[in-house]
Amino acid sequence: EVQLVESGGGLVQPGGSLRLSCAASGFTFSSYWMSWVRQAPGKGLEWVANIKPDGSEKNYVDSVKGRFTISRDNVKTSLYLQMSSLRAEDTAVYYCAKWVQLESTFDMWGQGTLVTVSS
Amino acid sequence: DIQMTQSPSSLSASVGDRVTITCRASQGIRNDLGWYQQKPGKAPKRLISAASTLQSGVPSRFSGSGSGTEFTLTISSLQPEDFATYYCLQHNSYPLTFGGGTKVEIK
Repeated sequence: EVQLVESGGGLVQPGGSLRLSCAASGFTFSSYWMSWVRQAPGKGLEWVANIKPDGSEKNYVDSVKGRFTISRDNVKTSLYLQMSSLRAEDTAVYYCAKWVQLESTFDMWGQGTLVTVSS
Repeated sequence: DIQMTQSPSSLSASVGDRVTITCRASQGIRNDLGWYQQKPGKAPKRLISAASTLQSGVPSRFSGSGSGTEFTLTISSLQPEDFATYYCLQHNSYPLTFGGGTKVEIK
């Protein structure tokens, strides 16, 4: 089955760390750029980061630079987001999404995992 | 960063109505823009890429147009399943940026 399944969300205290995972199946994971996109409760979508198919290039939104690290394991067909120094404003549903370069679109999204930063 | 200003932020419409949503980019982005639909509690779904290319499986009542700084998403005849929130996304330069969203509600 073609799908993306996120995991790793939960409640964390401000200043804490969390690692999100996204398991991919049903497509050639190693051929695609992958992104994390988040959505704060009741708010719009915000692109967070992306990573090149071979992992050699990574891009981030300014608000997470130096705190979040995107990575991937093409053998395990998994995408990761290591989050540290978490803030209340990082509270959101985090989606992983597959970017199809040829079509210039996110053609597949996971179901999302909720991260809540609160004391 | 490129700012994407989407309007209106919400609208009320009836089944069968023609609906137009606009996204304006703070600088030219060629046609590097897509449109996505999101229903409550669900992940976004792609509708249109490259400003005007309808994605596979998307009904033909959806259409997109524009280039440079102004873009529109049009639903020619609103259907019950179209009540959702719509977002534009520019991928011309990093960081990728979404519009603020347009919530389409039932009148």
